[in-house]
Amino acid sequence: EDKVVQSPLSLVVHEGDTVTLNCSYEVTNFRSLLWYKQEKKAPTFLFMLTSSGIEKKSGRLSSILDKKELFSILNITATQTGDSAVYLCAGLNSGYSTLTFGKGTMLLVSP
Amino acid sequence: NAGVTQTPKFQVLKTGQSMTLQCAQDMNHEYMSWYRQDPGMGLRLIHYSVGAGITDQGEVPNGYNVSRSTTEDFPLRLLSAAPSQTSVYFCASRATGEGGYTFGSGTRLTVV
Repeated sequence: EDKVVQSPLSLVVHEGDTVTLNCSYEVTNFRSLLWYKQEKKAPTFLFMLTSSGIEKKSGRLSSILDKKELFSILNITATQTGDSAVYLCAGLNSGYSTLTFGKGTMLLVSP
Repeated sequence: NAGVTQTPKFQVLKTGQSMTLQCAQDMNHEYMSWYRQDPGMGLRLIHYSVGAGITDQGEVPNGYNVSRSTTEDFPLRLLSAAPSQTSVYFCASRATGEGGYTFGSGTRLTVV
C-alpha cells in the first residue's frame, strides 16, 4: 500500500522565521513528488519534483527531492502571515497517474 | 478557461438519498480523480479515470460510482447516502506529461 508521511503535523512560527517541512514516501511506480498549499479551499499547486537533487524555487519557497532516501523537503524563508496554511505532499504514481497524499502540515505564522 | 468546475458547492442529504456531484474541466486533460477530505485523514482517492471510457477504483470507493463518457465530465454518484459520507469532495484533473493536478473548488456534503 502506498504511503506518504509528513512531519511535523503542525507548526507555529513567528513572522520572518524559516521553516522546513518534511515528506517521506513509499509509492509504487513512483514518478514525481508534488507539494500543494491549502487555505480552507482547494489545494493549489506549488511544485512538482521528478529528478533527485534539483532544487525548485518560487519566491521564498523552495523544494528538493531525494529519490534514494525517498524524501522531500519544502523550505519557506522569511515567513509571512499569508503563508499560514496546510501544506500537502503527494506522491504521483506513473502507471495510473494517481496521487497519494500525506495528512499535511498545518503551518501558523504569527505576526 | 474555467479550469475544473464542481457543482454544487454545498449539499445536505438525508440518509438513503442518492445524488450526483458534477465535475467538468475545459483543459482537455486525460486524467481525472475524485478525492474526499476528512479531518485528520488527508485527501483520499475515491475513483479515477485515465481517459474517456476508462475508470477505476481508488482507496475508498465503496458507496460511490463514476463514469467518464466524455473527456470533459467526470460525475461522482452517491448511491445511498450514509452519514459516513459527510465530507468535502474534490475533483481534480491533469494532462499527460509534466504538471500537477488542478483541483476544483470542492463540494461540502453533509448527510443527516
